[in-house]
Amino acid sequence: DAGITQSPRHKVTETGTPVTLRCHQTENHRYMYWYRQDPGHGLRLIHYSYGVKDTDKGEVSDGYSVSRSKTEDFLLTLESATSSQTSVYFCASRGGLADNEQFFGPGTRLTVL
Amino acid sequence: DQQVKQNSPSLSVQEGRISILNCDYTNSMFDYFLWYKKYPAEGPTFLISISSIKDKNEDGRFTVFLNKSAKHLSLHIVPSQPGDSAVYFCAAHTSSGGSNYKLTFGKGTLLTVNP
Repeated sequence: DAGITQSPRHKVTETGTPVTLRCHQTENHRYMYWYRQDPGHGLRLIHYSYGVKDTDKGEVSDGYSVSRSKTEDFLLTLESATSSQTSVYFCASRGGLADNEQFFGPGTRLTVL
Repeated sequence: DQQVKQNSPSLSVQEGRISILNCDYTNSMFDYFLWYKKYPAEGPTFLISISSIKDKNEDGRFTVFLNKSAKHLSLHIVPSQPGDSAVYFCAAHTSSGGSNYKLTFGKGTLLTVNP
């Protein structure tokens, strides 16, 4: 278990408000990821980080931004939440390039009204 | 374009029987494959993986088979138990180029094991 926590675990917000989700890992893993899970779509990558201050876009990055100022923390921000961003968000981490496995956090259920 | 496909959204089997979950991929650069298991309200957990240099990997009741020529892999669970009821995700990874960091996931298959 990679010791990944996510906060908050549940959030309800209104359209147009900014939202920040936090991911924290205690394994000193270099790589961190944000996914969303939606019915019929499986897990889709939003953004990922390959080091402190090094991030890149995934397949569904529009409307999201990320920041990584410390190895252990990876923040996902919805700049202006929309109802289409209602989803379950998962954070994951991975040790290094020789490590193929990603370890997932427990998820954050976000509802945008 | 979906590079990893799990064409069966659901599968139901009897306890004690074999469960076979299938996964197809289109990207020939994929060289490492993983299966994750997900219970409701929890994050996915790693189950088993296989490198493209192998055609089989076994871990207890779980075996993954890889057929590179068909771009197909399958997960066998024998014997199936009610606690195996979960969503199973197939994922793939390439060691080459800029995609080295990322996993590509299928949409998942919901396995129900009936007592």
